[in-house]
Amino acid sequence: KQEVTQIPAALSVPEGENLVLNCSFTDSAIYNLQWFRQDPGKGLTSLLLIQSSQREQTSGRLNASLDKSSGRSTLYIAASQPGDSATYLCAANTGGGNKLTFGTGTQLKVEL
Amino acid sequence: EAQVTQNPRYLITVTGKKLTVTCSQNMNHEYMSWYRQDPGLGLRQIYYSMNVEVTDKGDVPEGYKVSRKEKRNFPLILESPSPNQTSLYFCASRRGDIGVAEQYFGPGTRLTVT
Repeated sequence: KQEVTQIPAALSVPEGENLVLNCSFTDSAIYNLQWFRQDPGKGLTSLLLIQSSQREQTSGRLNASLDKSSGRSTLYIAASQPGDSATYLCAANTGGGNKLTFGTGTQLKVEL
Repeated sequence: EAQVTQNPRYLITVTGKKLTVTCSQNMNHEYMSWYRQDPGLGLRQIYYSMNVEVTDKGDVPEGYKVSRKEKRNFPLILESPSPNQTSLYFCASRRGDIGVAEQYFGPGTRLTVT
């Protein structure tokens, strides 16, 4: 059974810092790995999707990497801003592509 | 605007009173799914549907039913809600091409069962 872990559970950084969020998964037979952002009281917004054959994906200040062999993914946020404050979730797509297993998230706070 | 909608957004009900949470998407997606989110447990999949009339259980299906009679709609039915089903529920959809399709989530339905 796939298990997804995110460390740390919470992170506070000053504005402008570059930061890395970590995601690990136990079953490397994934179709893709997706990173989401969740704001308080709101739904999930997809940030990046990395296919199993890819090593990384970039969107603006965000860069996500995937290392299937070690069961790890990272989300790199460059030049963090207060508006980046949210909970970041990673999810591994397995089960024939029908199951999305989520980590419990990293709650990020970017302070002025 | 491409979106997944859920109704109601907030619901307080009593034990045993049947309820339905609706989910609709306007992106012609084949795949739809329901999740619940609980503190400390994260999001867990309840049911999913690969297409019309094709549904299957996720990790926590007990106490829930679904149906997929139309491509755009995927309602979640609680026949006899219990307090342990108090949670935040999300519906999601994506295209059918596994591996490359992102999942899009609705805004969530906060359910309280007393």
